[in-house]
Amino acid sequence: QQPVQSPQAVILREGEDAVINCSSSKALYSVHWYRQKHGEAPVFLMILLKGGEQKGHEKISASFNEKKQQSSLYLTASQLSYSGTYFCGTEPQTSNTGKLIFGQGTTLQVKP
Amino acid sequence: DTAVSQTPKYLVTQMGNDKSIKCEQNLGHDTMYWYKQDSKKFLKIMFSYNNKELIINETVPNRFSPKSPDKAHLNLHINSLELGDSAVYFCASSPWEGSTDTQYFGPGTRLTVL
Repeated sequence: QQPVQSPQAVILREGEDAVINCSSSKALYSVHWYRQKHGEAPVFLMILLKGGEQKGHEKISASFNEKKQQSSLYLTASQLSYSGTYFCGTEPQTSNTGKLIFGQGTTLQVKP
Repeated sequence: DTAVSQTPKYLVTQMGNDKSIKCEQNLGHDTMYWYKQDSKKFLKIMFSYNNKELIINETVPNRFSPKSPDKAHLNLHINSLELGDSAVYFCASSPWEGSTDTQYFGPGTRLTVL
């Protein structure tokens, strides 16, 4: 029941765009996105809720396709600071405990 | 000024020992979590407490015992440490136990069992 992220890794040049996908086999209530830099804690980026509500940073955009149970994180005009591992955390509709099941992560490297 | 703090940051110990990791949050949140991140970066929830009450208890060996003396603290005690317990353990907190709130992670405790 772990969500699957794709791609596993991506390398970009500064200014390029990237999309990271997160797919679940279960009906979801919410999808959370976090970024983790090497040796640091995961940091919140965005929450997407069933029904279309979103909460997150202004410079980060994401979508949640409820029919497909898939979320995508859009990174535009990438900067060096975007480098890190991106995780999606999903909460099934059957749960309302805040329990997140995380994907395996997508490693993003932005080069000058 | 730190929102979620953990001690110690690094912990190196021998197999069979007992160790504890402490977590404190000063955000006034009701819910706290323990996560384990293995060497492949897989992040998995272990426990969560809401106002000192155990809410989530994943399939974790009985050697792991969380304790929440008050809603600002959630400690993790591990008995009879094994090699497979080596990982980074993250504490997190959120305003409440629902899914619509951000979880704030502590800096992590890197546990190495020799």
